[in-house]
Amino acid sequence: KAGVTQTPRYLIKTRGQQVTLSCSPISGHRSVSWYQQTPGQGLQFLFEYFSETQRNKGNFPGRFSGRQFSNSRSEMNVSTLELGDSALYLCASSFTGQGAYEQYFGPGTRLTVT
Amino acid sequence: DAKTTQPPSMDCAEGRAANLPCNHSTISGNEYVYWYRQIHSQGPQYIIHGLKNNETNEMASLIITEDRKSSTLILPHATLRDTAVYYCIVRGIYNQGGKLIFGQGTELSVKP
Repeated sequence: KAGVTQTPRYLIKTRGQQVTLSCSPISGHRSVSWYQQTPGQGLQFLFEYFSETQRNKGNFPGRFSGRQFSNSRSEMNVSTLELGDSALYLCASSFTGQGAYEQYFGPGTRLTVT
Repeated sequence: DAKTTQPPSMDCAEGRAANLPCNHSTISGNEYVYWYRQIHSQGPQYIIHGLKNNETNEMASLIITEDRKSSTLILPHATLRDTAVYYCIVRGIYNQGGKLIFGQGTELSVKP
């Protein structure tokens, strides 16, 4: 079974621009969660989507948004990029996200904002 | 905030068992203990999880104390490739969805 894939793997953007990252979950998984990882803050939960609906949201500004499509693929968007948005963005998929199901992470997208 | 406490770093000799402790003294009855690890700059990798019984899989064993206030992840024969940051996470099975709250983890260094 193929794992979680994320595209692109690396991205360089300029402050003020916007960016869209993509995540394809493991086949059959319906929950997709997004995380931001920085050296200072560690791994922080951004949001989770299940059946095309946002089910959970972390403590991030509205510049961070996401969506999920009917095939469970998910995108996250960051508008008006700031230098502090430079981070490794990870997505994780799970069968349902509820219960005792484990999550499987993708390799991440490394975003650098200059 | 994370509900777990882990030592920031540990060393282990290659071929020996690595025992990584985790304190979760405020765990509630419907919360599982999960372990993930992250090798440098890769996505976290699921290792094992348990509720109250000890669990074992091909990667590791999880020992949870009877009062469930602490647990130990055991890598029976550590290799250099087990060098990583190990995260212990407590997660409720109801109304939490896919949200995982990561602490700082334990940086395990396996040395030859």
